[in-house]
Parts: sequence; structure tokens; C-alpha cells
Amino acid sequence: TGVTQSPTHLIKTRGQQVTLSCSPISGHRSVSWYQQTPGQGLQFLFEYFSETQRNKGNFPGRFSGRQFSNSRSEMNVSTLELGDSALYLCASSPSGGLRELFFGEGSRLTVL
Amino acid sequence: GESVGLHLPTLSVQEGDNSIINCAYSNSASDYFIWYKQESGKGPQFIIDIRSNMDKRQGQRVTVLLNKTVKHLSLQIAATQPGDSAVYFCADRQWTGNQFYFGTGTSLTVIP
Repeated sequence: TGVTQSPTHLIKTRGQQVTLSCSPISGHRSVSWYQQTPGQGLQFLFEYFSETQRNKGNFPGRFSGRQFSNSRSEMNVSTLELGDSALYLCASSPSGGLRELFFGEGSRLTVL
Repeated sequence: GESVGLHLPTLSVQEGDNSIINCAYSNSASDYFIWYKQESGKGPQFIIDIRSNMDKRQGQRVTVLLNKTVKHLSLQIAATQPGDSAVYFCADRQWTGNQFYFGTGTSLTVIP
């Protein structure tokens, strides 16, 4: 099976928080998160490997994530803003040296 | 910062013709590149990758060419089919980092 993300769609209001989940391909230990918007394209949020955040993009501290021992990952966005409306994509990679990034179908977040 | 761009935002081709999608990158430290296809409402799908020690790689109906001298990447699709209609992204990774940088995408439309 491929990368699985949940929920697929969700609607929140400003000020709320949201948690998105990602299950990587079996055996993949690296999980990356990206935000995709029409104007900005795919923007890197963070990457985890073996429960450690190895790299972080230029997003405010309201965006956070974590990875569990089974490689599953979650990302959280607190104090939601209208501009956080986007498709949030999770991708997994098989090796420690990041390559062959495989994406899930994404979680479509709408902030009202 | 990293700049990964595409020469044309849209491309229309006749069914059966060959398609060429171009991408420019700016960082000479980039050592690994991936092409993705994204259909409407779906996550990016891995098409083909190439390492910087290669200048050409072929897959099924697709060929990626890498010109490190001018920092240019291209994706060639042979005998383009209606199912190839999608947005195509290139992405690069720097050997020092654990993230990919994505281009803004080229929308390919195949005319029956």
C-alpha cells in the first residue's frame, strides 16, 4: 500500500487547531510534510527520520509535527488562519539519505 | 534560496506526439532530481528520478535529461496519451540537505 493520510478533507474556523495524520509506506522511515497552495506551489514544512526532526522549512511555530516509533507521523497547526487553507501532503522515503519521495493523496484543509 | 523553475506554465500537445517539459534549477549542490505528475485532486505521483552523476535516464515512455552545465532538467514523454494530462513538477535535493525543492509545475494538456 502507499502513503495514507487522514482526514482527506476538513473544515475549520480561524483560531482552531488541527491534527493531520500520515502513515508511510511500510519500511519507510523518513516522512516529510509539504503544504501545497495554488500561489506558492509545494512548500516544505519538515522532515522526520526515526522520530527525529532532521529539517524544518520556513513556517511559523504554529506548525509542528512529530513521528512515532512505527514511523507514522502527525502534523499540527494551531491558531488557524485563513491563509492556512491548503492541501497538506505527506511523503515517505525508504532510506536515510532522502530520495524517492512518495506522496499520499493529501489532506485538504479549509479554514473559514 | 533555492529556485527551481519551469520554462512554461502550460503545454498543449496532440495525442501521439512527444512532449517535452523543461525545468531549471539554480543550486549547483543539487545532486538528485525527481519528476512528478499530479492529477487533479490527487497527490504527486513519482515518475522518474536521476542522480547528478548521470545525464540521461529512461523509463516506460519517459526520459529524463540532465544538463548540469546549464542546470537544466527535462522530461520527455513519448507518444503522449490523454491520460498524461496533468501538472508535472520537477524537484531537486541538495546533497547537504534533507528536503526537496519543487518547481511551480507545468500543466500538460493532451488534445485528442
